[in-house]
Amino acid sequence: EVQLLESGGTLVQAGGSLRLSCAASGFTFSIYAMSWVRQAPGKGLEWVSGISGSGANIYYADSVKGRFTISRDNFKSTLDLQMNTLRAEDTAIYYCAKRTGIAVAGTADFWGQGTLVIVPS
Amino acid sequence: DIQMTQSPSTLSASVGDRVTITCRASQSITDWLAWYQQKPGKAPRLLMYKASSLESGVPSRFSGNGSGTEFTLTISSLQPDDFATYYCQQYNNSPFNFGQGTKLE
Repeated sequence: EVQLLESGGTLVQAGGSLRLSCAASGFTFSIYAMSWVRQAPGKGLEWVSGISGSGANIYYADSVKGRFTISRDNFKSTLDLQMNTLRAEDTAIYYCAKRTGIAVAGTADFWGQGTLVIVPS
Repeated sequence: DIQMTQSPSTLSASVGDRVTITCRASQSITDWLAWYQQKPGKAPRLLMYKASSLESGVPSRFSGNGSGTEFTLTISSLQPDDFATYYCQQYNNSPFNFGQGTKLE
């Protein structure tokens, strides 16, 4: 059974840093691209970042480019998101999602339950 | 960047109704479009991929259509479990933007 368990969400002051992690199990992690998607309170979904199965291809939304860094450890089956220079508008539930293939461009067939990041204004 | 626009933002319907949600892309995405369903407090669920392919386990009352810049998601006969928010997402080019969502109530 595919499981994605996010952790690391908390309250952090504006300008601060935070590292989110997603522990994956139930599938061959290295074969699949992964992504982070966030959802601000009461708002819609926003794609944040994606990484290919090998880690060679990485993409970011314009809103986080230069501040966030996605990475993965295929030996540990973990996906991380390093978030720097946090802003109030980064407040959201952050979901880890498994893509359906090795490429970042694809659909997300499994999602974690999310971890909440709060950046007070 | 490719912008995705859904309409309507809110849709009022009743059990048994046939409903259609529209998603428009700001430029052609061929058929690289997915639809997701999200219920309050839950993670999104993949319904459709490649515009018209039904994800495994999704009821056949859901169908998708379109190519290029205009797409639709149709529910042929609404069931109580279908009242949720629906999002389209393009995966033709990064950033893989979502539409703003359609709340079905």
